[in-house]
Amino acid sequence: NAGVTQTPKFQVLKTGQSMTLQCAQDMNHEYMSWYRQDPGMGLRLIHYSVGAGITDQGEVPNGYNVSRSTTEDFPLRLLSAAPSQTSVYFCASSPGQASSYNSPLHFGNGTRLTVT
Amino acid sequence: GNSVTQMEGPVTLSEEAFLTINCTYTATGYPSLFWYVQYPGEGLQLLLKATKADDKGSNKGFEATYRKETTSFHLEKGSVQVSDSAVYFCALSRRTGNQFYFGTGTSLTVIP
Repeated sequence: NAGVTQTPKFQVLKTGQSMTLQCAQDMNHEYMSWYRQDPGMGLRLIHYSVGAGITDQGEVPNGYNVSRSTTEDFPLRLLSAAPSQTSVYFCASSPGQASSYNSPLHFGNGTRLTVT
Repeated sequence: GNSVTQMEGPVTLSEEAFLTINCTYTATGYPSLFWYVQYPGEGLQLLLKATKADDKGSNKGFEATYRKETTSFHLEKGSVQVSDSAVYFCALSRRTGNQFYFGTGTSLTVIP
């Protein structure tokens, strides 16, 4: 059981470049989300989805796009990378249609992104 | 609003020492509370949880009690091991809404 799989593990971009961070889960979870982790800031929610075709913004959505065409996949797109987007990105999923208060999140191992 | 405040680290302890990591929260209604652990180079893993007042979550020797009167969920372990070295995150989720709220994390290093 792979759980939540994120690719790539590391990425270096130049300012203005675009890229997609991939996230896939094989647990049939309805809820998926993207966080960024920065020193002293904890985890901040970027976007989330409660099911295929449904996405919504979190705390820090600017500069990022998401889509959810299947239950399994939830890619995060950076349209024009900026140095402020240098961070570690985590994808997380949870069973149920909502991030049920009783259902914890399952995390991937993260993507470390550097924008120069 | 909803928020979680954790004690700042880093925390360094000798093996077999007692551990307390403080966590307080602000939330409307009756949130569920969680502790997650992050080992180097990995994602977060659920350590324990509590879903109502006075519940005690426990796992791997760690414990935390949901205290509504003090809005706290402090993490404790009676005797830490080197393998407990990690970053610990306190988090909450509400019965409505689709977001978890995380603290800033507390780094723990246990030395032999």
